[in-house]
Amino acid sequence: DIQMTQSPSSVSASVGDRVTITCRASQGISSWLAWYQQKPGKAPKLLIYAASSLQSGVPSRFSGSGSGTDFTLTISSLQPEDFATYYCQQANSFPSFGPGTKVDIK
Amino acid sequence: QVQLQESGPGLVKPSETLSLTCTVSGGSISSYYWSWIRQPAGKGLEWIGRIYTSGSTNYNPSLKSRVTMSVDTSKNQFSLKLSSVTAADTAVYYCARRQLENAFDIWGQGTMVTVSS
Repeated sequence: DIQMTQSPSSVSASVGDRVTITCRASQGISSWLAWYQQKPGKAPKLLIYAASSLQSGVPSRFSGSGSGTDFTLTISSLQPEDFATYYCQQANSFPSFGPGTKVDIK
Repeated sequence: QVQLQESGPGLVKPSETLSLTCTVSGGSISSYYWSWIRQPAGKGLEWIGRIYTSGSTNYNPSLKSRVTMSVDTSKNQFSLKLSSVTAADTAVYYCARRQLENAFDIWGQGTMVTVSS
């Protein structure tokens, strides 16, 4: 099984801040990685697929990078609607998710 | 646009079988992989398994002995059965569509299932 870790587990930030979340896979997964945003009581929303491809309709302030085992999600300028929990998901084999990173208001 | 809707009992007794259905509307169920994913309250996401419209399935090894998925293309529905449930199976259950790059691009709203006597 491929295990996913994320850091930090939580981050406090202000509107306009640049936020970076890291995801690491226990073995190489090429670029088979996706990022999701989840707000309380809602289903996850796909932001990034194939490590760096922006899902249609997602604002360009979200970007993803990385390959192999180390990946990053960056929010270039945090907006009020971006306060949420973010999950990475490896898509190389049977899917597995990271434990999540909660972005809250500083 | 394609939408997914989960349905099924919100309360299941321990040792019984949890049964959920996901209805696909606004598009065809054909030629996609469809998954079930669950999330216990306050916790992360766990992939349960997937089914292709041909009926081919793959299950999470940790749940494989208890999971059965099926698809009914005539009704644009797919289903989940999880047997011998315990309190640990209490969670919000989501159905989701897998896109070409193996990410989940469309999700249902989720349905809460509680295992309790």
